[in-house]
Amino acid sequence: QVQLQESGPGLVKPSQTLSLTCTVSGGSISSGSYYWSWIRQPAGKGLEWIGRIYTSGSTNYNPSLKSRVTISVDTSKNQFSLKLSSVTAADTAVYYCARTMGYSSSFYDYWGQGTLVTVSS
Amino acid sequence: AIRMTQSPSSFSASTGDRVTITCRASQGISSYLAWYQQKPGKAPKLLIYAASTLQSGVPSRFSGSGSGTDFTLTISCLQSEDFATYYCQQYYSYPSFGPGTKVDIK
Repeated sequence: QVQLQESGPGLVKPSQTLSLTCTVSGGSISSGSYYWSWIRQPAGKGLEWIGRIYTSGSTNYNPSLKSRVTISVDTSKNQFSLKLSSVTAADTAVYYCARTMGYSSSFYDYWGQGTLVTVSS
Repeated sequence: AIRMTQSPSSFSASTGDRVTITCRASQGISSYLAWYQQKPGKAPKLLIYAASTLQSGVPSRFSGSGSGTDFTLTISCLQSEDFATYYCQQYYSYPSFGPGTKVDIK
């Protein structure tokens, strides 16, 4: 059973960089044709896709966030990471990591529990 | 960007009811649509993908239909554990989600 777990600071100051890591257990992050994604959800609102990475390092980002987002992967640690720069209060949200079945099958079958990140001074 | 809309945004229902939620895409997305269930404080759970394929382990009272721009999620006999918010998501282009439909107890 694949499990994903987000980790990182719960409080980030405005204009700084938000950094989160997702640790995958129960299977190798490199096995199969899976893509690994970040999705966020502001309190009481809907879901927003941030971006995804393949274990080759190939990435795709939401155009609305592309200039501020970097997603990377560390296969030796079975982890992938999110960096979001120049954050504002609008970036306050629960951040989820999730697995997608493939490039053309970008729906999410496994999710982390989510981690709340608050942007505040 | 493909915009997803859902209707209704919320409604009340009783256990045993048959309920239908509608999702519409701003352009044709073939069958590249998934449905999720989310309960408060929890991550979304995949119910259906490819518009009508039931995810493993999901009860058969859930079903999906549609293609192109119009899709529906049907729960044939609502159970107490089904009170939640439901989201559709297209993956024809970069992924985007609908705003959600909250189903609560009448």
